[in-house]
Amino acid sequence: AQSVTQPDIHITVSEGASLELRCNYSYGATPYLFWYVQSPGQGLQLLLKYFSGDTLVQGIKGFEAEFKRSQSSFNLRKPSVHWSDAAEYFCAVVPFSGYSTLTFGKGTMLLVSP
Amino acid sequence: KAGVTQTPRYLIKTRGQQVTLSCSPISGHRSVSWYQQTPGQGLQFLFEYFSETQRNKGNFPGRFSGRQFSNSRSEMNVSTLELGDSALYLCASSPVIAGGNEQFFGPGTRLTVL
Repeated sequence: AQSVTQPDIHITVSEGASLELRCNYSYGATPYLFWYVQSPGQGLQLLLKYFSGDTLVQGIKGFEAEFKRSQSSFNLRKPSVHWSDAAEYFCAVVPFSGYSTLTFGKGTMLLVSP
Repeated sequence: KAGVTQTPRYLIKTRGQQVTLSCSPISGHRSVSWYQQTPGQGLQFLFEYFSETQRNKGNFPGRFSGRQFSNSRSEMNVSTLELGDSALYLCASSPVIAGGNEQFFGPGTRLTVL
């Protein structure tokens, strides 16, 4: 079955430290890949997306993600975390070009310590 | 441009009742998708509408239904509410139906079933 795995439910990072959130997918072919962020009580905001081409993708708010086909991974990174980055992060995929249906991972809650 | 709007933002119902949630997409967007978010199951796809036609449906019982109007506004209906229907219901719009297009999410409707 097609799936998206975010192995870390919670991650705590000190402010100013670097961040990496993991995402692995299981699909027959490379899907479209997305990272969304959700602040408490809010909807989802797109951070970045990967369709094809350069495997290092730049997004908003200083985030980037690297697609690794051999590992079926699409990990999200940020070199220096700010307290305002505390939120829940979701990796998502769209497996077929004809549909817009997003399949989400379970999410990773990021806590930022002073 | 105004973002995706959802009404109402909060709703409390009792078991057995029915509820209708509304979503207004971004102007010019013709595709509207609905997702259910719960702590246990995470984000799950409900259905997608494009040009008033349901294009795709998730694995939910027939109590969950939706429709789209000619102005692209969408409603979803849940009949015979159950406690497990308590969730955040998110609506997302995109300009076209291709899977790679970004979906823009609304703030959600928080439904509580007592």
